Amino acid sequence: SYELTQPPSVSVSPGQTASISCSGDKLGDEYASWYQQKPGQSPVVVIYQHTKRPSGIPERFSGSNSGNTATLTISGTQSMDEADYYCQAWDSSTVIFGGGTKLTVL
Amino acid sequence: QVHLQESGPGLVKPSETLSLTCAVSGYSISSGHYWGWIRQPPGQGLEWIGGIYQSGSTSYNPSLKSRVTISVDTSKNQFSLHLSSVTATDAAVYYCARTVGTGHPVDYWGPGTLVTVSS
Repeated sequence: SYELTQPPSVSVSPGQTASISCSGDKLGDEYASWYQQKPGQSPVVVIYQHTKRPSGIPERFSGSNSGNTATLTISGTQSMDEADYYCQAWDSSTVIFGGGTKLTVL
Repeated sequence: QVHLQESGPGLVKPSETLSLTCAVSGYSISSGHYWGWIRQPPGQGLEWIGGIYQSGSTSYNPSLKSRVTISVDTSKNQFSLHLSSVTATDAAVYYCARTVGTGHPVDYWGPGTLVTVSS
């Protein structure tokens, strides 16, 4: 089965840049989306189709893709960005989620 | 604004069937899109259960396919999940959600409903 692999945790200091990777065999052909989930809340999409940012999402969130690895980058990380982040792609008509990355802002 | 709301029992006995409904407002299911169910066990990650197009065409997670049925009722603008023969490993927050489909993100989520499996 198709899998997306993320690091379990990433730490960053306030104001610095955080990068979260997502690797999967089909990411070279399929778009990746990224979701932010805070405790007790539903996930919110912050990046879709590798690089697009929905309206209302701060400009400090950006996405990129190189080969089979997608990356979510948060520039000038703020304490409010501390959350779990999930990448997501499609395998035919099935949604695939990465295992999630806990971002800690120290 | 599209709004999704899950409803159903919060407690299901082992071996029984978990049944949830998602009421959609602000958008007609008949107009299109792909409507799905996603779950998240406590402290764990997200798992796609399956989805249904307004046409009634379905797609299920292969790991759950033998136990899952998703249906749509366009007259009530809602869709439903049935998961049979539940065990403790099916305990989770269950979300209903909407997406355009392949290549697109899940753009709307319900608030989620916690389902516990216990006798």
